[in-house]
Amino acid sequence: ETGVTQTPRHLVMGMTNKKSLKCEQHLGHNAMYWYKQSAKKPLELMFVYNFKEQTENNSVPSRFSPECPNSSHLFLHLHTLQPEDSALYLCASSQDSGVGRLNTGELFFGEGSRLTVL
Amino acid sequence: GNSVTQMEGPVTLSEEAFLTINCTYTATGYPSLFWYVQYPGEGLQLLLKATKADDKGSNKGFEATYRKETTSFHLEKGSVQVSDSAVYFCALSEGYGGSQGNLIFGKGTKLSVKP
Repeated sequence: ETGVTQTPRHLVMGMTNKKSLKCEQHLGHNAMYWYKQSAKKPLELMFVYNFKEQTENNSVPSRFSPECPNSSHLFLHLHTLQPEDSALYLCASSQDSGVGRLNTGELFFGEGSRLTVL
Repeated sequence: GNSVTQMEGPVTLSEEAFLTINCTYTATGYPSLFWYVQYPGEGLQLLLKATKADDKGSNKGFEATYRKETTSFHLEKGSVQVSDSAVYFCALSEGYGGSQGNLIFGKGTKLSVKP
């Protein structure tokens, strides 16, 4: 138990569906992240939220839409996805030390949501 | 730009064998280096880290030394167990500033340990 919970664990959706992935952290952290894990590729950082503000969007297609209503919850809204979007989506959180301070690099990951797009 | 290269897997070993998983990096400045582990069906967990040259990170019998001269951070364990079967990821961060999550990961190396 890492303190980061993701739901659902598995999701199958058609290309025209709208669905959402949910992440909740119970660690009191101030930063949350979405990563995409595809087979035989490095983990890809998708979105970063610090203190509920989006600070990074790594050229992610607009069919992925993040939402961070508070520092404990993070959503990833999915709309008109493509089959190549099938992957494991990992949520993570950390206590960000801020600009000018040494990053500990310690992220706490959820177990992931396995997405299959038909 | 910054990058991490780690050995391709899968790696299959017998129990009690010696493990080395190679990791080299390219970075400007003074990155911090990490090994994360992902057990089957789980998310990633931080295994160990080193924040400056010649530091040795260690945890659960695993070790890795930050070698600036060879830009390497190889993971080693003297005697692996079946329970060590997992995927291991080498990663780096830019050290100071930015977000903790701005880690650059390698592709991962799958380790299978047979009894």
